[in-house]
Amino acid sequence: TQLLEQSPQFLSIQEGENLTVYCNSSSVFSSLQWYRQEPGEGPVLLVTVVTGGEVKKLKRLTFQFGDARKDSSLHITAAQPGDTGLYLCAGDLYYGGSQGNLIFGKGTKLSVKP
Amino acid sequence: DVKVTQSSRYLVKRTGEKVFLECVQDMDHENMFWYRQDPGLGLRLIYFSYDVKMKEKGDIPEGYSVSREKKERFSLILESASTNQTSMYLCASTLGGSSGNTIYFGEGSWLTVV
Repeated sequence: TQLLEQSPQFLSIQEGENLTVYCNSSSVFSSLQWYRQEPGEGPVLLVTVVTGGEVKKLKRLTFQFGDARKDSSLHITAAQPGDTGLYLCAGDLYYGGSQGNLIFGKGTKLSVKP
Repeated sequence: DVKVTQSSRYLVKRTGEKVFLECVQDMDHENMFWYRQDPGLGLRLIYFSYDVKMKEKGDIPEGYSVSREKKERFSLILESASTNQTSMYLCASTLGGSSGNTIYFGEGSWLTVV
């Protein structure tokens, strides 16, 4: 069974603090996506990382794909209450064929208090 | 932008009723998916389809069926709703093939079975 372990499961911090969320697996992914989901809504894509060692920045969010493409991290600098939500990672096991095989982490529920 | 539209955001149904959840995507995506999302369990794949009239069971297909008569539309059917099917249902789509499997989600359908 392919697993994507996401940690921490819950995170409650004060506005202005930094945080990091991790996704780890023993599987190698062709790409990995990060999503943010607000209560009652569907997940919204934040970023896709494809190349081992790749770093992408989205304002105060920094995403990194591990060199071996088995893990990824999301770092938020100076968190704000608007960052509150559920963060999901999803790994794509596609290596050919007509469709991929996506596996999801269980999510990190982030709460940023003013 | 890709748009995945789920026709019903909130539904309340009685045990034993037949329930249809409709999903439409507007980007000519090959692959479409139905997930359910429950606290502590994350996203679980119910069914997916990689072509018109084609369907594949996901991790938890029991009690569900699907229909894909047109490329843009993927329907989830609960033949006889039960209380343990109360959940948030998410439809998603991907382009498929070597072009990548970034997954785009609909806004979700909250189903309560009483």
